[in-house]
Amino acid sequence: KQEVTQIPAALSVPEGENLVLNCSFTDSAIYNLQWFRQDPGKGLTSLLLIQSSQREQTSGRLNASLDKSSGRSTLYIAASQPGDSATYLCAVPNAGNMLTFGGGTRLMVKP
Amino acid sequence: DAGITQSPRHKVTETGTPVTLRCHQTENHRYMYWYRQDPGHGLRLIHYSYGVKDTDKGEVSDGYSVSRSKTEDFLLTLESATSSQTSVYFCAISESWGHTYEQYFGPGTRLTVT
Repeated sequence: KQEVTQIPAALSVPEGENLVLNCSFTDSAIYNLQWFRQDPGKGLTSLLLIQSSQREQTSGRLNASLDKSSGRSTLYIAASQPGDSATYLCAVPNAGNMLTFGGGTRLMVKP
Repeated sequence: DAGITQSPRHKVTETGTPVTLRCHQTENHRYMYWYRQDPGHGLRLIHYSYGVKDTDKGEVSDGYSVSRSKTEDFLLTLESATSSQTSVYFCAISESWGHTYEQYFGPGTRLTVT
């Protein structure tokens, strides 16, 4: 059974800092890995989908990397802003595209 | 934002009553999913659908049933609500499955069973 872990569970940084969120998974036979953002009381917003054949995917200040062989993905956020404060979730699909989620990293960016 | 709506957005109900949650999409996507989100357990799949009248169970399907009579609508029914089903329920959609297809989530329904 696929297990997805995110470390750290919570992170607090000053505004402007570059930061890395980590995601690890136990079964490397994945189609892709998806990163989401969730604001308190809200739904999930898809940030990036990185395919199994890719090593990196970029969107604005966000960069996701994927290393299937080691079962790891990282989400890099450049020049963090208070508006980046949210919970970040990674997820990998199983058969039928059912997603298994990590527990999330709760990020606080202080002005 | 993907065109996904959920109704109701909030509901309080009593133990033993039936409850139906609705997910509606305007994207004409084939796959639809129901997840629940709980502290300490994260997001877990309840049921999913891969076409009209085609559904299957997820990780935590006991006590839930689903129906999909139209591409755009996916209903989740709690036949007899219990306090353990107090949760936030999210609907998601995807065009298909495989390495290129993202899932998009609705705004969620907060259900409280008293």
